[in-house]
Amino acid sequence: GQNIDQPTEMTATEGAIVQINCTYQTSGFNGLFWYQQHAGEAPTFLSYNVLDGLEEKGRFSSFLSRSKGYSYLLLKELQMKDSASYLCAVRDSNYQLIWGAGTKLIIKP
Amino acid sequence: IAGITQAPTSQILAAGRRMTLRCTQDMRHNAMYWYRQDLGLGLRLIHYSNTAGTTGKGEVPDGYSVSRANTDDFPLTLASAVPSQTSVYFCASAPVGGDATGELFFGEGSRLTVL
Repeated sequence: GQNIDQPTEMTATEGAIVQINCTYQTSGFNGLFWYQQHAGEAPTFLSYNVLDGLEEKGRFSSFLSRSKGYSYLLLKELQMKDSASYLCAVRDSNYQLIWGAGTKLIIKP
Repeated sequence: IAGITQAPTSQILAAGRRMTLRCTQDMRHNAMYWYRQDLGLGLRLIHYSNTAGTTGKGEVPDGYSVSRANTDDFPLTLASAVPSQTSVYFCASAPVGGDATGELFFGEGSRLTVL
């Protein structure tokens, strides 16, 4: 079966750096997405990786290793507004998105 | 800037009633999707449409139906609601083709409670 694993919850301190991991087992691979979802709101797109390596976008970076079935989202200079759930999703060979359950990130002052 | 709009934002209804959740986008995206989101679970695909006039079943289609008469609208109907359909429903759209990555644009969600 297809599976996406990510930690359920993480806690970090304002101003620090946090890395949220995502491992996947899917039928084929056509890209990996990270979305941010604040409580009670809709998910919003953060990043897309289809080739191995690091994609940097401001304070957020996303890394992909297709051979290891692994990605991480790196958040730098954490702010209180970064408290949210972070969803990892993989597009499989049928171009369907497989979603992880999300990682709830709690930022403490 | 509207983007993608869902209605209603919240609804309580009795089991056995029929309910339609509306979804409209003004971005001319070809693909549209309906997901449900339940605590502790990832987003689960109910139905999708790759282009106007076509629809397909997702991971959890039972008890739901959709139609795609035009590019903009993608309503989701619960023919006879049951308590297990209590959930938050998200409609999403995505551009297809060209340089598009296929990222999803989500509506604000419809919180449905079936009693």
